[in-house]
Amino acid sequence: AQSVTQPDIHITVSEGASLELRCNYSYGATPYLFWYVQSPGQGLQLLLKYFSGDTLVQGIKGFEAEFKRSQSSFNLRKPSVHWSDAAEYFCAVGARGTDYKLSFGAGTTVTVRA
Amino acid sequence: SQTIHQWPATLVQPVGSPLSLECTVEGTSNPNLYWYRQAAGRGLQLLFYSVGIGQISSEVPQNLSASRPQDRQFILSSKKLLLSDSGFYLCAWTPPGFYGYTFGSGTRLTVV
Repeated sequence: AQSVTQPDIHITVSEGASLELRCNYSYGATPYLFWYVQSPGQGLQLLLKYFSGDTLVQGIKGFEAEFKRSQSSFNLRKPSVHWSDAAEYFCAVGARGTDYKLSFGAGTTVTVRA
Repeated sequence: SQTIHQWPATLVQPVGSPLSLECTVEGTSNPNLYWYRQAAGRGLQLLFYSVGIGQISSEVPQNLSASRPQDRQFILSSKKLLLSDSGFYLCAWTPPGFYGYTFGSGTRLTVV
């Protein structure tokens, strides 16, 4: 079964600074990878996804992620964060033939300081 | 366009009382439907999913059950709530044959 690890529980970053959130997955074949963002008390919104092809994926809100098969990673990045980026971020992995189920990491909470 | 509705948004229930959370999807047909529970610091746990009317798969044995009485309706139930059932419940859907959930806005359940 596939699984996801997000090593960082909480990250604090200054507004305008760069942000990188780590995600490591465990799956034998090519995974389907996702990043979601959740504002407090809200549902999750899809930021970006990777299925195949170009390993650098662009998403909404200026986010990008890079798939690195050799490291089993799918890290999320943003060059310059805004105060509105403060939220919880979830990495998720899916696999072919699993009824499109997703396994989520425990999440990383991002705090943005002025 | 497709939309997903989930209600109620907030619920406070006593231990031992029944539960019914509803999720409906509009603007699509034959969606795959999913119920997740979110506990603080523990990410999202898949509870149930359905790939068709009357088809329910359970991921975690527990005090809850799910039903899909109509194509675009997914219901999460319990006959007797436990304190451990407290959490944030999220419904999600995806078109058949496609990966990528759209989530509802969630239900905050507090069992007291």
